[in-house]
Amino acid sequence: SQKIEQNSEALNIQEGKTATLTCNYTNYSPAYLQWYRQDPGRGPVFLLLIRENEKEKRKERLKVTFDTTLKQSLFHITASQPADSATYLCALDAGGGNKLTFGTGTQLKVEL
Amino acid sequence: IAGITQAPTSQILAAGRRMTLRCTQDMRHNAMYWYRQDLGLGLRLIHYSNTAGTTGKGEVPDGYSVSRANTDDFPLTLASAVPSQTSVYFCASSDSGLAGFDTQYFGPGTRLTVL
Repeated sequence: SQKIEQNSEALNIQEGKTATLTCNYTNYSPAYLQWYRQDPGRGPVFLLLIRENEKEKRKERLKVTFDTTLKQSLFHITASQPADSATYLCALDAGGGNKLTFGTGTQLKVEL
Repeated sequence: IAGITQAPTSQILAAGRRMTLRCTQDMRHNAMYWYRQDLGLGLRLIHYSNTAGTTGKGEVPDGYSVSRANTDDFPLTLASAVPSQTSVYFCASSDSGLAGFDTQYFGPGTRLTVL
């Protein structure tokens, strides 16, 4: 069956460092992958989408890579700030048009 | 522009009662979704609708029903609530302009407790 894995343990980093979050998947051949941010008590907010034929996508301090051979996406936040503290979810197309399957998310804490 | 609104914000419900969670969007998106989010399990799709008048089952549809009478509204009904339906429920919508590359917009969620 299809499976998405994100680090369940929180990632703690110092302000100014680069945070790297991992999303691994098995039994999937997704056409695209998305990353969302979720703050406590709020709904997820879309950040970036990367397609299967793209290796890397950037948006301001965010960078996403997509390796279909390794079945892995990496999400980087450079020059991290305390305001970046949140849970980050990866999502893949569920093979049925517009439906998505979400990972369980990784909590990021950026400390001063 | 409000985006997606959900009501109620939170609710405590006795087991066996019927409950409808409301979801309204003002973005004229054709697709809408209902998810539940539980600790350690992440977001799981309950039901979806690709366009007004059509609905489909997601990963965990049992015990839930939906309707899509128009573009804007997508209510989720629990016919007879059970404690395992205690969860945070999120409604989302997307514009399927580019098929297969949808990004989803989420509402603020409804926290439901079934006792």
